[in-house]
Amino acid sequence: QVQLVQSGAEVKKPGASVKVSCKASGFTFTNYGITWVRQAPGQGLEWMGWISPYNGNTNYAQKLQGRVTMTTDTSTTTAFMELTSLTSDDTAVYYCARGPSDYYMDVWGTGTTVSVSS
Amino acid sequence: DIQMTQSPSTLSASVGDRVTITCRASQTISNWLAWYQQKPGKAPKLLISKVSNLESGVPSRFSGSRSGTEFTLTISSLQPDDFATYYCQQYNSYSRTFGQGTKVEIK
Repeated sequence: QVQLVQSGAEVKKPGASVKVSCKASGFTFTNYGITWVRQAPGQGLEWMGWISPYNGNTNYAQKLQGRVTMTTDTSTTTAFMELTSLTSDDTAVYYCARGPSDYYMDVWGTGTTVSVSS
Repeated sequence: DIQMTQSPSTLSASVGDRVTITCRASQTISNWLAWYQQKPGKAPKLLISKVSNLESGVPSRFSGSRSGTEFTLTISSLQPDDFATYYCQQYNSYSRTFGQGTKVEIK
C-alpha cells in the first residue's frame, strides 16, 4: 500500500543539526512531490517546503531559507530533510507528505518528533 | 505570504449538527485551497482539494465551497468520528500556508 515511513525520534542540543528521512513505497516516487510540514507542541501546521524527486527542484519557506535542505534518493525512494542551527523553536513533529507537485498533500508520513533542549 | 484566517478557533457541537468552518485568504487564491482533518497524535488527513473536490473515501457529509476569498468547509450532520481539528491550506502562492486550525469539540 501507499505509505511514507519516517525515521525515529531525535533529541538534539541547540546549535546542532538534524536529518529526517522519509521512505516511500507503494507508488512511483518520481511522479509526485514531497512536502515537509512541522507542528510544534499544541500548535498548528507549518509548511516548510517541497522537493520534486523527479528533478530535485525545491521550494523552501522563506523563514527557513539557509537552514533547511531537502533532498531525495531515487534509488531508495527516500526523501530527506536536514535542518541546521537548531533552537528550542524547532521542537516539533516533522511530517513528510506526498502530493501532486507542490500543491496539496494526499498521503502523510508517520511523523518524526524532534526535541531541541540543552 | 498569503495569510489564511480560520474561524472559529474552537467550535462546540453535538452529533447531528450542521457545522461550518470558514477560511479567509488575505488575497485571491483562485480555487487553490485544500482542507485537512487531524486527530490528536495522528498525521493530518486530506479531505478536500481545489475548494470542493472530495478525496476518495471521505464521507459525502463533508463539502467545500468558495465565495471570493472566503472558503467554507461544511459537515452536514456531525458524526462522532468528526470531532477533530480542521485546517485549510492555500497552494496558490509560491509559499504555501495553512490556517491556524479549528477544533471541533463535543458539546
